Amino acid sequence: QKEVEQNSGPLSVPEGAIASLNCTYSDRGSQSFFWYRQYSGKSPELIMSIYSNGDKEDGRFTAQLNKASQYVSLLIRDSQPSDSATYLCAVKGDYKLSFGAGTTVTVRA
Amino acid sequence: KAGVTQTPRYLIKTRGQQVTLSCSPISGHRSVSWYQQTPGQGLQFLFEYFSETQRNKGNFPGRFSGRQFSNSRSEMNVSTLELGDSALYLCASSPSGGSYEQYFGPGTRLTVT
Repeated sequence: QKEVEQNSGPLSVPEGAIASLNCTYSDRGSQSFFWYRQYSGKSPELIMSIYSNGDKEDGRFTAQLNKASQYVSLLIRDSQPSDSATYLCAVKGDYKLSFGAGTTVTVRA
Repeated sequence: KAGVTQTPRYLIKTRGQQVTLSCSPISGHRSVSWYQQTPGQGLQFLFEYFSETQRNKGNFPGRFSGRQFSNSRSEMNVSTLELGDSALYLCASSPSGGSYEQYFGPGTRLTVT
């Protein structure tokens, strides 16, 4: 079982719609969770961090965490063409981050 | 603040050679991590340094090594390069403390021929 798994995608959504990205993790003791956005040919960029159960909103992004179900999600509201990228879920372990394989999102104009 | 910088940005080496990559973290950040990114394996953790001490190491052969200097700058070295070492090598820095938010540099694209 992989440490961090994401829905494989690719995910194609129309402009203005909600993109929903999911991530599960295997280490029940994990406490810190992150979402990174990576444009093609660029390095990952931190867009959200979440540490407590529930929702955390930042602009058009909402991260949701359910530690009991070992589940993290990212919602992108009012999706824009500039949101087209690969989104990586990361979970903190012992002095490292473990990353999922990423979900590629394409926003259709 | 300036971001994480990595040098060189691109590198072409021949199988059997060795290579050294450099990373300067965000000012004030004392933790530096290295990752390898390939299309097939995704982002794989190499090692993490804090105050010149390696705190964790990923599942890579001993050909991969690193170090951190007193000013928090870090280097990683790959000896006896193999074709499979072709990848994007990413450095990330993190401030001291528990949150462990990591900020990535632009990466070094290594091609082994």
